[in-house]
Amino acid sequence: AQSVDQPDAHVTLYEGASLELRCSYSYSAAPYLFWYVQYPGQSLQFLLKYITGDAVVKGTKGFEAEFRKSNSSFNLKKSPAHWSDSAKYFCALEGTGANTGKLTFGHGTILRVHP
Amino acid sequence: GGIITQTPKFLIGQEGQKLTLKCQQNFNHDTMYWYRQDSGKGLRLIYYSITENDLQKGDLSEGYDASREKKSSFSLTVTSAQKNEMAVFLCASKDKFSYEQYFGPGTRLTVL
Repeated sequence: AQSVDQPDAHVTLYEGASLELRCSYSYSAAPYLFWYVQYPGQSLQFLLKYITGDAVVKGTKGFEAEFRKSNSSFNLKKSPAHWSDSAKYFCALEGTGANTGKLTFGHGTILRVHP
Repeated sequence: GGIITQTPKFLIGQEGQKLTLKCQQNFNHDTMYWYRQDSGKGLRLIYYSITENDLQKGDLSEGYDASREKKSSFSLTVTSAQKNEMAVFLCASKDKFSYEQYFGPGTRLTVL
């Protein structure tokens, strides 16, 4: 089985602060990990991915994430945060091997950045 | 660039009715997906298809059927609509080289 947990339903901070959205996963093999963002009234957009290689991956809009196999985490980071980053963020895991193509999403974290 | 279109944008049905949602993509992607997004919750995978005429069940496939008769299209059928089924249904396709998923705008289902 594969699962993704985003423990923080809401994160609020002020513009200029550093943001970190938490994501942990459970999977028996090496997973593919993703972050997607959903702005109000819109569909999901890709931010970044970890497939293999360097543990720190950079994505669009100035975001980066760090894959930590030791504690099964893939936290999303950005510094500084901007009010336009306010949105809902989803962490996702794609299975490999027999589960190739199967995606599991976390429940999402709503980020609010005050100007 | 490509695009994913979903029809209809809004779908209103009666409880017990059979309802069909359609999705088209012009990316020429092999893999396509159907997700359900309930208000305030995450996405749950209903069905996915890794190639034409292939169907794989997701975690939420009970009560749904899917059809992938062409590479560019992927349909989802709600076999008997229930009132607790009101949600947004998202279609996506995946680039097999970048692993990135591209999402459609969604179909909002309301069951009366």
